[in-house]
Amino acid sequence: GESVGLHLPTLSVQEGDNSIINCAYSNSASDYFIWYKQESGKGPQFIIDIRSNMDKRQGQRVTVLLNKTVKHLSLQIAATQPGDSAVYFCAENKGGNKLVFGAGTILRVKS
Amino acid sequence: DTAVSQTPKYLVTQMGNDKSIKCEQNLGHDTMYWYKQDSKKFLKIMFSYNNKELIINETVPNRFSPKSPDKAHLNLHINSLELGDSAVYFCASSQPQGAEAFFGQGTRLTVV
Repeated sequence: GESVGLHLPTLSVQEGDNSIINCAYSNSASDYFIWYKQESGKGPQFIIDIRSNMDKRQGQRVTVLLNKTVKHLSLQIAATQPGDSAVYFCAENKGGNKLVFGAGTILRVKS
Repeated sequence: DTAVSQTPKYLVTQMGNDKSIKCEQNLGHDTMYWYKQDSKKFLKIMFSYNNKELIINETVPNRFSPKSPDKAHLNLHINSLELGDSAVYFCASSQPQGAEAFFGQGTRLTVV
């Protein structure tokens, strides 16, 4: 079967520290991955994406790493801020615009 | 300007009723979706429409019927509501060739 899952359901970090959120996927044919952030009472918001022909992509304070050998995806947030507190989802797009979401990780930032 | 808007934001109704959720996007996208998010925050695709045509139907009960009058709108009608239908329903849109989906704010449906 196909699945995208997350290792850690809840991650607590101190403000200013770096955060790393992990995701495992099972379908080696997947060629596109997305990280979404969902704040309380809102819809998921796109953060960053990466294609399978890359192993790293950087945005503003965020970096996504893709390890196709072990089918692992991670989101790194530098200098985590209180506004980063949210649920983070990895999602896998296998074509046909069908996004398969992982279970989500709650990120809590302590001030 | 709201890119993907859905109404209502909250919906409380009794079992057995029929209700609709409306969605509109002003992004010019050809593809629209309905997702269901359960109490554990798990997001699962229900339907996908491309330019008013159904392209994905993820084993959703027949009580759920999406309708796309034009490519900017995708409404969700639910018949004979059940307690298990309680969830947050998200509408989203994207371009066919792109994968980034833009989500609405969600409709929290509570069936009592």
